[in-house]
Amino acid sequence: AQRVTQPEKLLSVFKGAPVELKCNYSYSGSPELFWYVQYSRQRLQLLLRHISRESIKGFTADLNKGETSFHLKKPFAQEEDSAMYYCALRVWGGGNKLTFGTGTQLKVEL
Amino acid sequence: DAGVTQSPTHLIKTRGQQVTLRCSPISGHKSVSWYQQVLGQGPQFIFQYYEKEERGRGNFPDRFSARQFPNYSSELNVNALLLGDSALYLCASSLASPASNQPQHFGDGTRLSIL
Repeated sequence: AQRVTQPEKLLSVFKGAPVELKCNYSYSGSPELFWYVQYSRQRLQLLLRHISRESIKGFTADLNKGETSFHLKKPFAQEEDSAMYYCALRVWGGGNKLTFGTGTQLKVEL
Repeated sequence: DAGVTQSPTHLIKTRGQQVTLRCSPISGHKSVSWYQQVLGQGPQFIFQYYEKEERGRGNFPDRFSARQFPNYSSELNVNALLLGDSALYLCASSLASPASNQPQHFGDGTRLSIL
């Protein structure tokens, strides 16, 4: 069975500092990886997915199959980045089932 | 576009009771999935429905059931409620078949509290 691990429950950084939210997964096949974000009092929303290979709100994430990781990065944190971030995995051809990590709360301090 | 809508927003039940949660997908979306999110954890997959048929089931007991209607809305039913069923129940919809790689869009959820 697949598993997603986010080792940090809380990550606190200063505004302008680089951000890296860690995500590791375990799955023997080829997974599809996502980052979802939940801002305060808002619904869970898709931030980015590895197949798109795009930057959203300055965030990027690269799938590293060798290290089974999909870390989320941003070079300069902004106050509005403060939110809960979830890494999720979907199995190709396995329907819409998403396996989520436990989430990391990002707090950007002034 | 109203997005995925769920009702009710909050619900309080007692142990042993039964509950029905409702979800309306984004217009045009035919696939609906249900997730349970316990406090401090990520969402956990319960069911997926597409074209009114169950297409996936997570590791939940038979007390959990769901169905999808011709208009693609869905209901999640939980029988014989336990204290551990207290959670946020999320519904997500996507545009096309489970085999496609369409992203899922989540609703605000129903907060279920069991006393």
